Amino acid sequence: AQKVTQAQTEISVVEKEDVTLDCVYETRDTTYYLFWYKQPPSGELVFLIRRNSFDEQNEISGRYSWNFQKSTSSFNFTITASQVVDSAVYFCALSGRGYNFNKFYFGSGTKLNVKP
Amino acid sequence: GAGVSQSPSNKVTEKGKDVELRCDPISGHTALYWYRQSLGQGLEFLIYFQGNSAPDKSGLPSDRFSAERTGGSVSTLTIQRTQQEDSAVYLCASSLSRTSSQETQYFGPGTRLLVL
Repeated sequence: AQKVTQAQTEISVVEKEDVTLDCVYETRDTTYYLFWYKQPPSGELVFLIRRNSFDEQNEISGRYSWNFQKSTSSFNFTITASQVVDSAVYFCALSGRGYNFNKFYFGSGTKLNVKP
Repeated sequence: GAGVSQSPSNKVTEKGKDVELRCDPISGHTALYWYRQSLGQGLEFLIYFQGNSAPDKSGLPSDRFSAERTGGSVSTLTIQRTQQEDSAVYLCASSLSRTSSQETQYFGPGTRLLVL
């Protein structure tokens, strides 16, 4: 079965703290893709990153970094020196091959509150 | 347009009425998706279009829900005889390719439906 689990429902941090959002996935596919989206209070989902299953290199983009580990089926997202503007709900998603190969499986989201 | 657009942005209706929600994908995107997001919840997949056809309708919650897409562009999601439990944000997304699972989905701002 295809499944994404974001065990952290809500996290609160103080500005400038580092925070890691966890994502664990399940898939039978050998080729798959993982995504992170941000949903700010305005509501529109914003694409952050896409990784394929063959590339386990960690990625850094400014204050954002992602740690992909196939051995633990995890794709965690770290925000360094968090800011109030980072407050949002963050969704991890999985897509893969098969009959429903363009179907995305979203986690339930992690709400991040960054306090000044 | 530059992004996915949806209309109306907000819709209030009475129980039992029919509603139509519209999605205009990014120009050139052949794949189109509908999701539902209930208050404080994750994304629930509803239906997916490749061009004008819908190979995956598995997420439609009941036969009161239907969707169509014409001309490979605009899609309409129709909910007949609305119920209070249909109240949610309905999100539309599009992606460039209809054949590749790696394509990123880009989301519209959503339609907030309230059934009284």
